[in-house]
Amino acid sequence: AQSVTQLGSHVSVSEGALVLLRCNYSSSVPPYLFWYVQYPNQGLQLLLKYTSAATLVKGINGFEAEFKKSETSFHLTKPSAHMSDAAEYFCAVSDAGGTSYGKLTFGQGTILTVHP
Amino acid sequence: NAGVTQTPKFQVLKTGQSMTLQCAQDMNHEYMSWYRQDPGMGLRLIHYSVGAGITDQGEVPNGYNVSRSTTEDFPLRLLSAAPSQTSVYFCASSYSTNGRLHFGNGTRLTVT
Repeated sequence: AQSVTQLGSHVSVSEGALVLLRCNYSSSVPPYLFWYVQYPNQGLQLLLKYTSAATLVKGINGFEAEFKKSETSFHLTKPSAHMSDAAEYFCAVSDAGGTSYGKLTFGQGTILTVHP
Repeated sequence: NAGVTQTPKFQVLKTGQSMTLQCAQDMNHEYMSWYRQDPGMGLRLIHYSVGAGITDQGEVPNGYNVSRSTTEDFPLRLLSAAPSQTSVYFCASSYSTNGRLHFGNGTRLTVT
């Protein structure tokens, strides 16, 4: 069984500061890992994904995440926060063995607040 | 290109009523799924489908039915609504097994 734990349900940063959202996963098989973002009253949009190629993955809007197998982590970072980054962020995992059939296991979500 | 379309956007039901949440995608994706989103719990999989005529249960299927008669449509039926089904429901589709999902904008359901 797979699981995802996001450390911190709320993260608050100042505009221009580093954004760090933490995600740890548990999987019995090599995983695919994803970060999604949800703006108010909208569906989820894909920020980036890891599918066993490069361990440092770059996504949209200046975000990136590093897959660390030894730490079972996939933390999301952005060097400089912008007001428009305020949203809820979800880490998710699927089975890399080709049997995920579009199913993901999601973390609990982290709400990012950006202060001027 | 509309992507994944969900209707209605909002719905209020009384306990015991039934209803169908509609989901349609125009991307010819084989895989479709329904999730519910509750505060502090992320998204949990209700049911999914790997193609027309094939569905299976997810993590929280009780109280919900699905069918997939066409590639495009994947409706979710609440048989007898309960307050515990108050949630935001998201439909998603995917063209491959690598897990990247395309989401609709959700249906906010309140059961009183």
